[in-house]
Amino acid sequence: DAGVTQSPTHLIKTRGQQVTLRCSPISGHKSVSWYQQVLGQGPQFIFQYYEKEERGRGNFPDRFSARQFPNYSSELNVNALLLGDSALYLCASSLGYFGQPQHFGDGTRLSIL
Amino acid sequence: GIQVEQSPPDLILQEGANSTLRCNFSDSVNNLQWFHQNPWGQLINLFYIPSGTKQNGRLSATTVATERYSLLYISSSQTTDSGVYFCAVLNSGGSNYKLTFGKGTLLTVNP
Repeated sequence: DAGVTQSPTHLIKTRGQQVTLRCSPISGHKSVSWYQQVLGQGPQFIFQYYEKEERGRGNFPDRFSARQFPNYSSELNVNALLLGDSALYLCASSLGYFGQPQHFGDGTRLSIL
Repeated sequence: GIQVEQSPPDLILQEGANSTLRCNFSDSVNNLQWFHQNPWGQLINLFYIPSGTKQNGRLSATTVATERYSLLYISSSQTTDSGVYFCAVLNSGGSNYKLTFGKGTLLTVNP
């Protein structure tokens, strides 16, 4: 079975632009979470979606938004990009909403110039 | 929120040596996972271990939930074990939907 897939793998943007990152969960998984990992730190939670509803939000500005589609895939959108948004963006999927092990994709590496 | 502390922050080993990585957490948890992040940034699931002991080849892990710590053992280390090891927890109360990661242990295994 395919694991969590993310696209694109790499992306270069300039300040002020907008970006959309995509994630397909493991087949059968209904929960998708997004994390941001800046260099030298552990991943930080951004959003969790379960059954197409937002179930959790981390401490990120409103420039960050996400949604989940009926097929449980998800998109993360970031508007008005800042240099500090440069990071590895990781998507994780799990079977359920509560207490389930999370499985991560390979991430999208976003660079802001 | 819950605090997760990992030690040591850095570890350098010769190939073949054994090591123990520690993860302390500040509140009760209902999920604890160990990950290995390789040099390409891939986060690889090692263990899902909210309590008890598990083994997978040269790796094993023990979580003592009542004492709020977990240990990851690596035996007969290989150069391919190099990378960052993260402990991540999902605590029982409050924000029980998100994994909180420690800062990781950077492991370097030299040939």
